[in-house]
Amino acid sequence: SQTIHQWPATLVQPVGSPLSLECTVEGTSNPNLYWYRQAAGRGLQLLFYSVGIGQISSEVPQNLSASRPQDRQFILSSKKLLLSDSGFYLCAWTPGQTLYEQYFGPGTRLTVT
Amino acid sequence: TQLLEQSPQFLSIQEGENLTVYCNSSSVFSSLQWYRQEPGEGPVLLVTVVTGGEVKKLKRLTFQFGDARKDSSLHITAAQPGDTGLYLCAGDGGTYKYIFGTGTRLKVLA
Repeated sequence: SQTIHQWPATLVQPVGSPLSLECTVEGTSNPNLYWYRQAAGRGLQLLFYSVGIGQISSEVPQNLSASRPQDRQFILSSKKLLLSDSGFYLCAWTPGQTLYEQYFGPGTRLTVT
Repeated sequence: TQLLEQSPQFLSIQEGENLTVYCNSSSVFSSLQWYRQEPGEGPVLLVTVVTGGEVKKLKRLTFQFGDARKDSSLHITAAQPGDTGLYLCAGDGGTYKYIFGTGTRLKVLA
């Protein structure tokens, strides 16, 4: 069976510090991978998605970036965090050939102070 | 720009009551999913509908896709406290992307 991991689970970082959030998927190959951000109790904002190694599509221009160094690894980064980067970050994957099923990781709660 | 509006935004009901959550758009979607999310966790897929007019049932939950594939509804019969959570609809946004709805927060009181 497939599983998706995210870490860390929670993170408190000062303004201006760097960020690295990691997501890995097990039990599947060539998944589509996604990063979302969620404000408290609201819907999900798509940040980045990737359909293959090294292929990144950005949806929202901001100070965040994403990378996919391996088939089942997706990383969200920032060089300098802003207060507005606080939120709940979710990684998700889908089987490459379908848009019907999306599976989410447990999320990372980021607080920028 | 494709948008999915959910209503109501908040809903608080007593155990045993019925409720309906709506997901509406002016755009046509080839598929639409419903998710439930608990606080501090990732959303969990409940169902996917792909055919206009399609109705799917999951125990006490009934999902319907509009004939024109622009809207969907989720009906819960005899709600239970375990149904409490954030309900999200999502549609295919084209080119491997998903568009998520604004969310409906449901609280079922015992």
